[in-house]
Amino acid sequence: QITLKESGPTLVKPTQTLTLTCTFSGFSLSTSGLGVGWIRQPPGKALEWLALIYWNDESRYSPSLKNRLTITKDTSKNQVVLTMTNMAPVDTATYYCAHSDTVTTDGSFGYWGQGTLVTVSS
Amino acid sequence: EIVLTQSPATLSLSPGERATLSCRASQSVSSYLAWYQQKPGQAPRLLIYDASKRATGIPARFSGSGSGTDFTLSISSLEPEDSAVYYCQQRSNFGQGTKLEIK
Repeated sequence: QITLKESGPTLVKPTQTLTLTCTFSGFSLSTSGLGVGWIRQPPGKALEWLALIYWNDESRYSPSLKNRLTITKDTSKNQVVLTMTNMAPVDTATYYCAHSDTVTTDGSFGYWGQGTLVTVSS
Repeated sequence: EIVLTQSPATLSLSPGERATLSCRASQSVSSYLAWYQQKPGQAPRLLIYDASKRATGIPARFSGSGSGTDFTLSISSLEPEDSAVYYCQQRSNFGQGTKLEIK
């Protein structure tokens, strides 16, 4: 079955760079049509789409955060890494990674990790 | 950038009633719209994709409809476990959510 799990620091200081890793199983990111995305959710607030990388290395970013985000994949390790630069307290949120399938669905996120809470504070 | 507006913000209904949640897009998105359910402390769960197709394992009381700019998630015969926040999504955009409370 498909599983995803986020890992990374739980606390970062303002101006630091956040690096999160999504480790997944049950599928390969070399399979045509598949992707892994990152979504975040500040406490008590709505979901915010951040970035997505596809099997063919195509990547997409939130326009409002594009300058701060980088998404990469390591197919051999079944991992996707998200980096976000210049972190600020407003970036405090639960960060989720999720599986996207553009072949059998419209690319929506059918499988999600449990999420990891990242707090930005000095 | 497409903006998704969900209404109402909060909906309070009794078990057995029917819930109708709306998602309006600022421009046509064809049928590329998904709905998610999120309960407190949990990751979102995909309910509907392609506007009207139920995801695997989703009960038949959940249904989606619409195309273009106006979409609806309907939940027939509400059950207590349907209490959650529901989000619509179109590609890189999420709505702000509708909180459904079961009295």
